[in-house]
Amino acid sequence: DIVLTQSPLSLPVTPGEPASISCKSSQSLLHSNGNNYLAWYLQRAGQSPHLLIYFASSRASGVPDRFSGSGSGTDFTLKIDRVEAEDVGIYYCMQTLHTPMFTFGQGTKLEI
Amino acid sequence: EVQLVESGGGLVKPGGSLRLSCVASGFSFNIYMLTWVRQAPGKGLEWVSSISTTGTNTFYSDSVKGRFTISRDSAKNSLDLQMTSLRAEDTAVYYCARVGSWNLDYWGQGTVVTVAS
Repeated sequence: DIVLTQSPLSLPVTPGEPASISCKSSQSLLHSNGNNYLAWYLQRAGQSPHLLIYFASSRASGVPDRFSGSGSGTDFTLKIDRVEAEDVGIYYCMQTLHTPMFTFGQGTKLEI
Repeated sequence: EVQLVESGGGLVKPGGSLRLSCVASGFSFNIYMLTWVRQAPGKGLEWVSSISTTGTNTFYSDSVKGRFTISRDSAKNSLDLQMTSLRAEDTAVYYCARVGSWNLDYWGQGTVVTVAS
């Protein structure tokens, strides 16, 4: 089974400053087709998760360009260029290599 | 607009059963796989089960295999999760989600299941 390990688990940030979250996989998520099968989600308080990034670096529709994903193989990063108040919540990475069986990271709580 | 609306949650005693439903709208139901994801109180997200477009193939996490059954009804655009032999550790918010292009692109608002005596 693939295990995803996120760090940090808690991330205090200042509005306007950048933020970065790491997600490390126990197995490579790089497919032979060149895609990395990793997605990022944000879950705001009291809401369901929503998709931010898929294939490690592709932004989902409507996601602000201050969000970016990078990485390949087993090491991935979600970056927020300039944090805004609405970015507060819990961020999860999720492997999609074994779709339709998914695995999530533990979550990273971003707070201002 | 894509919508997924769950229902059926509630309070049930350990060992009891419950059936969750998720009604989908705003997209072609028959061409998407669907999945259930749960979140225990104060905890992270846990994948529970998925079902293929035709319902022929089903997938379960080890924690629910043999106790939960996923199904879908194309006539009603609905996804179900029959849960039996429920345990305290099954207490969670249960979300249904659409399996998009190698991701879960739309989620419902969730339904709460509490297993307690």
